[in-house]
Amino acid sequence: NAGVMQNPRHLVRRRGQEARLRCSPMKGHSHVYWYRQLPEEGLKFMVYLQKENIIDESGMPKERFSAEFPKEGPSILRIQQVVRGDSAAYFCASSRQPQTSGRPSHTGELFFGEGSRLTVL
Amino acid sequence: QKEVEQNSGPLSVPEGAIASLNCTYSDRVSQSFFWYRQYSGKSPELIMSIYSNGDKEDGRFTAQLNKASQYVSLLIRDSQPSDSATYLCAVKGLRRNFNKFYFGSGTKLNVKP
Repeated sequence: NAGVMQNPRHLVRRRGQEARLRCSPMKGHSHVYWYRQLPEEGLKFMVYLQKENIIDESGMPKERFSAEFPKEGPSILRIQQVVRGDSAAYFCASSRQPQTSGRPSHTGELFFGEGSRLTVL
Repeated sequence: QKEVEQNSGPLSVPEGAIASLNCTYSDRVSQSFFWYRQYSGKSPELIMSIYSNGDKEDGRFTAQLNKASQYVSLLIRDSQPSDSATYLCAVKGLRRNFNKFYFGSGTKLNVKP
């Protein structure tokens, strides 16, 4: 499967536990984005990463949430000490290498994984 | 002002009609524009991308871009019940964040048989 792979698809945690969500980007894609979506609401940007670097984490809550994209292996979104309000669908998306200059790129469409649905009891 | 704005709907059209979905964005610097379709309980699926002013057609879908008006739209011809979904407009490059995608909140489309 050449698409964006996320796991687990469904995760149930009790309050106070940790949740780890994994994302493998499409082949040839070096950039990963994480979004959160509550039922009947829009996509909320969380973080944008490239290998070993966090590019933009302006959408990440300051506490309990962290993300990484190591040199080897998938990107991981980690939520510590989960609370009921963390229950949501978490989508990972990937794109190809964007431009490195200041000029905008016309490439780099964003492709989404199937999502990980977190339920906090 | 939100970076990307869409009417939340729902937009209801009869089967076979043209559905017109609209989106405005806040920054003239933006260069790349995308339409995603999201079925309930599923992930967003890219259906169209457009980068230049004018129209871009792909099957029953036409994307229209007017950079001067900061406006992008999606037309769906011969609408089918299977087109019923939420359509998300995405803009890349707002505020010179050239690699960041900004999403609208989506327009829910109902195509009635």
